[in-house]
Amino acid sequence: EAGVAQSPRYKIIEKRQSVAFWCNPISGHATLYWYQQILGQGPKLLIQFQNNGVVDDSQLPKDRFSAERLKGVDSTLKIQPAKLEDSAVYLCASSLGSGTGDYTQYFGPGTRLTVL
Amino acid sequence: SQKIEQNSEALNIQEGKTATLTCNYTNYSPAYLQWYRQDPGRGPVFLLLIRENEKEKRKERLKVTFDTTLKQSLFHITASQPADSATYLCALSYGGATNKLIFGTGTLLAVQP
Repeated sequence: EAGVAQSPRYKIIEKRQSVAFWCNPISGHATLYWYQQILGQGPKLLIQFQNNGVVDDSQLPKDRFSAERLKGVDSTLKIQPAKLEDSAVYLCASSLGSGTGDYTQYFGPGTRLTVL
Repeated sequence: SQKIEQNSEALNIQEGKTATLTCNYTNYSPAYLQWYRQDPGRGPVFLLLIRENEKEKRKERLKVTFDTTLKQSLFHITASQPADSATYLCALSYGGATNKLIFGTGTLLAVQP
């Protein structure tokens, strides 16, 4: 079975520029998560989707970050404009979904963002 | 506020020994706890889940315990191998049925041959 796909794997931008990340979850997974992982820390949830609806975006800096999951499959996360402190690995994960009793989250390889 | 603590320093052990990693939490009552492994440049990989009403869970050379009174989970790798070298993350559930996780900072395990 194919895993969670993410692109690009690496991105280097100047501060105040914009950047977008793409995620394709495992087929049939209703729940999709975006995490931010700063070096030396654990992943921090930014936003969670159930199908194409937002379950939780309480930790998403909405003045600069946005995310969408059109059609309940692929998702994009955008940062506009980027700040130096946004340098991190952005991880996408998916799971079967609430109510299934399966709580495993499957992670993609991540996108390493460097903001100069 | 909720707080999760894992061994902040790297754990170095000899091949064949048992590695024990600790996860402590405060201000929290998770329904379940998960352990993930993360290799450099890769996303975390799920290892084990233990629920609040379970004391212990095993999978091959891995064992997890969960003490809700002490608010602590221990993760054991028996007969450790150099290939077990990685960062291990504990993650606690919150938000009821929405399957949200809060992760610890991880512990780097290095198994010396």
